Amino acid sequence: LAKTTQPISMDSYEGQEVNITCSHNNIATNDYITWYQQFPSQGPRFIIQGYKTKVTNEVASLFIPADRKSSTLSLPRVSLSDTAVYYCLVGDKGLTGGGNKLTFGTGTQLKVEL
Amino acid sequence: KAGVTQTPRYLIKTRGQQVTLSCSPISGHRSVSWYQQTPGQGLQFLFEYFSETQRNKGNFPGRFSGRQFSNSRSEMNVSTLELGDSALYLCASSLWGTSSYEQYFGPGTRLTVT
Repeated sequence: LAKTTQPISMDSYEGQEVNITCSHNNIATNDYITWYQQFPSQGPRFIIQGYKTKVTNEVASLFIPADRKSSTLSLPRVSLSDTAVYYCLVGDKGLTGGGNKLTFGTGTQLKVEL
Repeated sequence: KAGVTQTPRYLIKTRGQQVTLSCSPISGHRSVSWYQQTPGQGLQFLFEYFSETQRNKGNFPGRFSGRQFSNSRSEMNVSTLELGDSALYLCASSLWGTSSYEQYFGPGTRLTVT
């Protein structure tokens, strides 16, 4: 099964750029890498998704190297409201061949201070 | 557009009992997936349903089961509850599937087993 690891926590200050990396082996070749944000007492919220190279949307960028064994979520100019837990989600080759099982990363608690 | 709804939000059960959780996806979404979240194990994939068929399954015992109805609403059932089943159960919906399309999560059902 895919094993995904993330730093447990990161601290930053408002206005800084934050990069969170997720390491994942045995990722399914046909699957995307997705990142989610979760606040306490809420379900995760989609941030960004990519397959390879670089993807950018209005809130974040996602960098994926050619071997796809890791991905880096980049949050530009974070604010206090970005304090949350960030998860990567990858697909894993299903053992039964019936599709990809999904594996969430261990989660990174980002704390943003003034 | 209404979001994903889950009922009930909170539930207390006794060991050995069974429980059924309900999830209503976003209108038009055909895929519903279920996740278990605990402090120790993090977010773990339970299963995915698409057009009333289970398409993917995580590594959980047979006590965990689910189904999807023709209107895409889904239920999850846990039989013979154990203390370790205490968790936040999250449901997520997406247009076509779990891996390649962004998922929208509900607020979760907090299950406590005593």
